[in-house]
Amino acid sequence: LAKTTQPISMDSYEGQEVNITCSHNNIATNDYITWYQQFPSQGPRFIIQGYKTKVTNEVASLFIPADRKSSTLSLPRVSLSDTAVYYCLVGLYGGSQGNLIFGKGTKLSVKP
Amino acid sequence: NAGVTQTPKFQVLKTGQSMTLQCAQDMNHNSMYWYRQDPGMGLRLIYYSASEGTTDKGEVPNGYNVSRLNKREFSLRLESAAPSQTSVYFCASSDDPRGGYTFGSGTRLTVV
Repeated sequence: LAKTTQPISMDSYEGQEVNITCSHNNIATNDYITWYQQFPSQGPRFIIQGYKTKVTNEVASLFIPADRKSSTLSLPRVSLSDTAVYYCLVGLYGGSQGNLIFGKGTKLSVKP
Repeated sequence: NAGVTQTPKFQVLKTGQSMTLQCAQDMNHNSMYWYRQDPGMGLRLIYYSASEGTTDKGEVPNGYNVSRLNKREFSLRLESAAPSQTSVYFCASSDDPRGGYTFGSGTRLTVV
């Protein structure tokens, strides 16, 4: 099973760029990396997904090095509304979906 | 465009009582999941259904049963509730085996 490790918490200020790193040392060849955002009293929301190198959308960027043993979610110019818990998930493409295990998440606090 | 709908949103049970948490999705997804979320533990998979007519155990299945009633609906049953089952329960659905899920807004269950 592809386990993930993330920092428990991070602090930032409005307008800064925030980078959250997830370690997944035993990622398999076919695994994808997906990041979710969760606000209090809500379900997690899909942010971004990638396999290798860099992926960018209107919300975030995802950087994946060549060895794929880690990934970094980058949030440009955060605002107070980005305060949330962020989860990384490593998915086994084509395999049992019971093997998709969420980590404990990173609680991001954005201060004014 | 409801996505994933969970009922009820809140529930208080006495130890030993039974109840069923309901989940329905309108996205025609094949796979559905039940997670529980406890403070500091992240999201843990209870059961999942990769397709209509199939169910499989996840990481923490003890004390729960599930029914995939049809393609849209996936219910979670607690036969004899225990205080250790106090948690927030999330249902999710997906057609993305790489890890792209749509989550419901959750059911907050307290067992006293």
